[in-house]
This record gives sequence, C-alpha cells and structure tokens, in this order.
Amino acid sequence: AQTVTQSQPEMSVQEAETVTLSCTYDTSESNYYLFWYKQPPSRQMILVIRQEAYKQQNATENRFSVNFQKAAKSFSLKISDSQLGDTAMYFCALRMLSSYDKVIFGPGTSLSVIP
Amino acid sequence: DSGVTQTPKHLITATGQRVTLRCSPRSGDLSVYWYQQSLDQGLQFLIQYYNGEERAKGNILERFSAQQFPDLHSELNLSSLELGDSALYFCASSGGRGRDTEAFFGQGTRLTVV
Repeated sequence: AQTVTQSQPEMSVQEAETVTLSCTYDTSESNYYLFWYKQPPSRQMILVIRQEAYKQQNATENRFSVNFQKAAKSFSLKISDSQLGDTAMYFCALRMLSSYDKVIFGPGTSLSVIP
Repeated sequence: DSGVTQTPKHLITATGQRVTLRCSPRSGDLSVYWYQQSLDQGLQFLIQYYNGEERAKGNILERFSAQQFPDLHSELNLSSLELGDSALYFCASSGGRGRDTEAFFGQGTRLTVV
C-alpha cells in the first residue's frame, strides 16, 4: 500500500531563518510525482512545489526547495528566509500514475513563523 | 482562483439527514478527487473518478457515494449523517497523465452535522 509520512506534527522558525520539513513515502511504482501543499488558516490548498520522480534534479521555487532522495524515499521541503505568511499547515503528497491515479497526503506539519 | 468550484460553501444539517456536495472541475480536467478533512486533521482520500468512471477508492464509508456526470461535474452524497461526519470536504481535479502533474483544489464545503 502507498503511504506518506510526516514525522513532525509541529514546527516553529524565526522570521528570516531557514526550516526543513520532512516527508517519507512508500510506493512500489517507478512513475510518480511528489508535491508539497500549503494550507493557511483560510483552509485553501495551495501548491508550493512539485517533483517528478524521474528527474534527479531537485525542484526549486523561489524560497522553497526540496531534497529528493529517491532511493531513500525521502522528500523534504526547505523554506529559506521564512516569512510570517509562511505560517500554515504543510502537506506532503504522492501522486501515482498507474491506472488508478491516486493522490494521497501525509498527516501534515503545522509550521509557525515567529516574528 | 484554482478553477475548481464547490457548492455549497457551508452546510448545516441534522443527524440522520442526507446531503449532496457538488464539484465542477477545471475546464477540460477529466479527473476528480474527493477528500475529507476533519478538524485539525490531514486529508483523507475518499474516491476518484476519471472521465465518468470510478478509478480509485479510499476510506469511503458505505453511507457515502459519489458519481461523475457526462459534463464531468461530480457529486458526493452523504447519507444517514452522524456528528462525526462534520468536516471540510474538498474536491480536486487534474487533467490526467500528460497534461498536469498536480491536483487543483476547490475552496471546500464545510459540513456541520448537529
């Protein structure tokens, strides 16, 4: 069965500092995508960054970057120069591109950015 | 705006009742996913449809059912409602393999069962 695990229920970081959120996953498929979604207090789900499993290069989007370790099935998110608006729940997600095309989410990490 | 529309935004109903949640995916998206998010919890995958056919099923209760219509909109039906069914229900859509990689989410329907 496919699973996504986030071992840090809550984290905090000082404004302007860097923080890393952890995610591990399990799948027997070779073709899949990984995502980090952000859910601010408004509860809207916002895509932060995506990573294709067949790409070795780590994805980067402005202050957000990932460390994708395929063999270890690890997909961590690094937020640099943290801002107050980064305060949110962060969900790691796995999309498998088999015939059933399922997207499953981890339990989330609540990130608080402290002024 | 993600392009995914969910109605209604809020719904309050009594235990034992039945409700229908509606989702209109982004234009051209063939896949629709439904998720349940209870208070301070993660997203639980319920069910996925692709071009009108059920494609994947998660932890969906037998009291819940869904369908996707020929115009690709989807409905999630919740019956014999219990207090524990109170949650935020999200719909998401994607274009399928080769078009988009991620799922685009609607604003959610907040269901309160009293």
